Amino acid sequence: NAGVTQTPKFQVLKTGQSMTLQCAQDMNHNSMYWYRQDPGMGLRLIYYSASEGTTDKGEVPNGYNVSRLNKREFSLRLESAAPSQTSVYFCASSEFVRIVNQPQHFGDGTRLSIL
Amino acid sequence: QKEVEQDPGPLSVPEGAIVSLNCTYSNSAFQYFMWYRQYSRKGPELLMYTYSSGNKEDGRFTAQVDKSSKYISLFIRDSQPSDSATYLCAMSARSGGYQKVTFGTGTKLQVIP
Repeated sequence: NAGVTQTPKFQVLKTGQSMTLQCAQDMNHNSMYWYRQDPGMGLRLIYYSASEGTTDKGEVPNGYNVSRLNKREFSLRLESAAPSQTSVYFCASSEFVRIVNQPQHFGDGTRLSIL
Repeated sequence: QKEVEQDPGPLSVPEGAIVSLNCTYSNSAFQYFMWYRQYSRKGPELLMYTYSSGNKEDGRFTAQVDKSSKYISLFIRDSQPSDSATYLCAMSARSGGYQKVTFGTGTKLQVIP
């Protein structure tokens, strides 16, 4: 039972490079999320997708783009990486519930360093 | 001032102790209150969530919400070394078309055998 799978687990980039973080879930969940976790900051929502075909900005969307490729997959793209984007990135998913839509299942993260 | 405040710890307790983890918050619009457990180099996992004030119990874990004091707690009874992890509180309020979730920074717990 894989749950939420993120690739890659680690990545080092140079400033200005681009890359895509991949996420897939096998729980047939409707909603998916991208968070970043920084020391002393807590988890912050970058983008979310309430259901297949929709995406919306979270708290810290600048410098990122997302694609909800299908119900299973939700990717996060850094077009021109900056050192401030050095972080641990988590993908999460949840069943859509009309009133409560908090993230339930997280992947194990992608540790991204930008030099 | 952060919307959600959580003591970072670390908190060290002997095996079998009762652990109390706490968060305070400033936004009275928060409606749902969650606790996540995060093991080192892993993603968080949702432990419990409660709506509004009151207590909720699940095995050795009890979540307590006091909206009048803007204070939530997670109690762990008969703590085990396997409970050693960082515990994140989180709270949500409606913002536009979705429930915006605000996380605390986490309390690191170490249960010593």
